[in-house]
Amino acid sequence: KQEVTQIPAALSVPEGENLVLNCSFTDSAIYNLQWFRQDPGKGLTSLLLIQSSQREQTSGRLNASLDKSSGRSTLYIAASQPGDSATYLCAVQSNAGNNRKLIWGLGTSLAVNP
Amino acid sequence: GAGVSQSPSNKVTEKGKDVELRCDPISGHTALYWYRQSLGQGLEFLIYFQGNSAPDKSGLPSDRFSAERTGGSVSTLTIQRTQQEDSAVYLCASSLGGEGGGYTFGSGTRLTVV
Repeated sequence: KQEVTQIPAALSVPEGENLVLNCSFTDSAIYNLQWFRQDPGKGLTSLLLIQSSQREQTSGRLNASLDKSSGRSTLYIAASQPGDSATYLCAVQSNAGNNRKLIWGLGTSLAVNP
Repeated sequence: GAGVSQSPSNKVTEKGKDVELRCDPISGHTALYWYRQSLGQGLEFLIYFQGNSAPDKSGLPSDRFSAERTGGSVSTLTIQRTQQEDSAVYLCASSLGGEGGGYTFGSGTRLTVV
């Protein structure tokens, strides 16, 4: 059974720091891994999608890596800003079964302090 | 449409009443998912529609929950005889389907059962 774990559960940093959020998963049989951002009371915004054949994806100040064999992904945020404060969720799309559902971590709650 | 649209955004209902939640996916997306996010818990898969195939209902928590997708587009999630434990944010997502397709989420419906 696929399980996704995110560490740390919460993180508070001063503005300008570079930071790393971690995601691990137990079953390497995945189609892809996706990082999302969730702001309080709002839906989910997709940040980066890494296909199983890829090693990393970049978008602006965000870089996500994927090591499928070890079951790990990291989300790197450069030069953090107060507007980055949100919950960051990692989800893997399993290739077991037919429904291609996402298996989710519980998220990392990030606070960037001005 | 340009994004996934969900309505209503908020719903307060009395215990025992039925509710209907609506999702309008991105045009052309063949896959549609419903997830539930309860307070302090991770996202929970509910149901999956793919094209004209029979839906995967394996995540529905009880027979009070049902969902339809008419014409391969709009989906309605119905909860009968609501209970307080049904209070959660209900999120809908669509994707192009196939292997490796990323998800686009709606803003969710926050359901409160009083």
